[in-house]
Amino acid sequence: GIQVEQSPPDLILQEGANSTLRCNFSDSVNNLQWFHQNPWGQLINLFYIPSGTKQNGRLSATTVATERYSLLYISSSQTTDSGVYFCAVSASGSRLTFGEGTQLTVNP
Amino acid sequence: ETGVTQTPRHLVMGMTNKKSLKCEQHLGHNAMYWYKQSAKKPLELMFVYSLEERVENNSVPSRFSPECPNSSHLFLHLHTLQPEDSALYLCASSQVYSSGNTIYFGEGSWLTVV
Repeated sequence: GIQVEQSPPDLILQEGANSTLRCNFSDSVNNLQWFHQNPWGQLINLFYIPSGTKQNGRLSATTVATERYSLLYISSSQTTDSGVYFCAVSASGSRLTFGEGTQLTVNP
Repeated sequence: ETGVTQTPRHLVMGMTNKKSLKCEQHLGHNAMYWYKQSAKKPLELMFVYSLEERVENNSVPSRFSPECPNSSHLFLHLHTLQPEDSALYLCASSQVYSSGNTIYFGEGSWLTVV
């Protein structure tokens, strides 16, 4: 099956800093999603982005499908951005495969 | 609010108990999922129901028994669990056979087996 690697595994920032999270995947995909898991466990959809670039407020994501990676950018980070960020991918007819996540801590 | 509701949010049960987790989706989706998330492990897909038929069962022990009475509701029946089954159980739904197939998760049910 498809392998998904996320980096870095852990990231600590000061409030206001910018960051880039990376997701590498081992095969062609037609579905890629980024999620944020808050400290209470809920997974919130951030982006559905199998290719191209999208922006939503302080967050943006870019997927370069031909090179099999996606990047999630967080600008002007806030303490509420803390949590785990997951990338998940799938190819046609297959189930989503999740990466192991990036644990982000934003300190005040 | 993602449109997927799970109850209970927290459950503590003994190894001889029988309990159930409930999930309801209000998104009109045709597929529902149970995932397990243990500490420091990636999400593990347990079961998939598509059009109310179970289409995937990823080697889950029989002490976990799913039920999907209709496209909006999904249960996970639990009996004679082990302490290592303590985890966050996440329900999700999506619309299969459509472009995108974005998956939406509930808030999760934290299960502790004592």
